[in-house]
Amino acid sequence: GENVEQHPSTLSVQEGDSAVIKCTYSDSASNYFPWYKQELGKRPQLIIDIRSNVGEKKDQRIAVTLNKTAKHFSLHITETQPEDSAVYFCAAISYNFNKFYFGSGTKLNVKP
Amino acid sequence: DGGITQSPKYLFRKEGQNVTLSCEQNLNHDAMYWYRQDPGQGLRLIYYSQIVNDFQKGDIAEGYSVSREKKESFPLTVTSAQKNPTAFYLCASSMDRGPGEQYFGPGTRLTVT
Repeated sequence: GENVEQHPSTLSVQEGDSAVIKCTYSDSASNYFPWYKQELGKRPQLIIDIRSNVGEKKDQRIAVTLNKTAKHFSLHITETQPEDSAVYFCAAISYNFNKFYFGSGTKLNVKP
Repeated sequence: DGGITQSPKYLFRKEGQNVTLSCEQNLNHDAMYWYRQDPGQGLRLIYYSQIVNDFQKGDIAEGYSVSREKKESFPLTVTSAQKNPTAFYLCASSMDRGPGEQYFGPGTRLTVT
């Protein structure tokens, strides 16, 4: 079945630096790509998403880029803050074919 | 954090017993989902339901069963046929089956010994 590969598995940055997390997918039917943040002991929450007809989307310090040809998408966090520390999951979803695939997660640690 | 709830938070069972995990939402969402989360792995879809009285298998449905008799409720039964049931189980809901945010519950950690 479809696997979404997510890298890196852990990422440590200094406060104020940028963080980039990358995901690749294999199913060309995937047309919706959300990113979820899961803080320790809490439920995953959507932070940003992008649809297949868009190449880039930005929301304040967070941005997502999508390269459909290469089948990869990335999460960019600028001016990182300690409260950005969490596990981030990407997902590639095809609602047309009812396929929901999540990456294995990236543990981001922002050092003050 | 309200809207979608799961109970209990922690559940312990003996091997060979069936156990049912509760998931309730008051968001008036049509679609509901069950995922399993294991250490170092992403969420894996067990079952999902797009509408009352209808549900479909996800990638790892073997050993699990669900029902969707009410819009608000989507209980998951972990049967004795599930080979490795110890895991963290997350329920989610979304407004409809199209692209859009899935709202997650707080999760149930099931330990089977």
